[in-house]
Amino acid sequence: DAKTTQPPSMDCAEGRAANLPCNHSTISGNEYVYWYRQIHSQGPQYIIHGLKNNETNEMASLIITEDRKSSTLILPHATLRDTAVYYCIVRVGLLGSNYKLTFGKGTLLTVNP
Amino acid sequence: GAVVSQHPSRVICKSGTSVKIECRSLDFQATTMFWYRQFPKQSLMLMATSNEGSKATYEQGVEKDKFLINHASLTLSTLTVTSAHPEDSSFYICSARDRMGATQYFGPGTRLLVL
Repeated sequence: DAKTTQPPSMDCAEGRAANLPCNHSTISGNEYVYWYRQIHSQGPQYIIHGLKNNETNEMASLIITEDRKSSTLILPHATLRDTAVYYCIVRVGLLGSNYKLTFGKGTLLTVNP
Repeated sequence: GAVVSQHPSRVICKSGTSVKIECRSLDFQATTMFWYRQFPKQSLMLMATSNEGSKATYEQGVEKDKFLINHASLTLSTLTVTSAHPEDSSFYICSARDRMGATQYFGPGTRLLVL
């Protein structure tokens, strides 16, 4: 699976949008981009995933560049409860296939009041 | 999203004893389950992958005789840490996905402290 690069930490003001970048320059055509987050002392929480197109759900938006070498997770209105480590993971495989998620160091997002 | 539970949430045991951690998928059939370990200030490390009814596949460096994994049903996997030692103290997290496999869901984790 392709390697990802994320900044170690970011700060965001409460109520503002948090934009978390991820570089995955070696991504290949059948690799998906997944985002999870881990609030302190809890298990990771699934946020969103995508292949080529931008995706949006009730938690966040995922913007993938046209060349797919980078992506941005957007939390539109960050709250204090969004303080967590955010992991960007690239994994190979189509639906139903075998794959495993490999976690990097992620980005610690701190939302400040 | 789908719900994965773990029990117990915390356990303290004496060195040399064995500890069993349960992982359940509550609202879907988990054909594949995963066990991760996380040390303080570090990321999650995959220990093993198990498919229902099959033997688990362990990652390099993980002792299969020390970390026994059983995935006997589509909703339950267990991890048994045998003859636990203080260096086994860690945060153990299970994860599960269904046959379609689009999304992998994680349990809340079990904090193990070996004295």
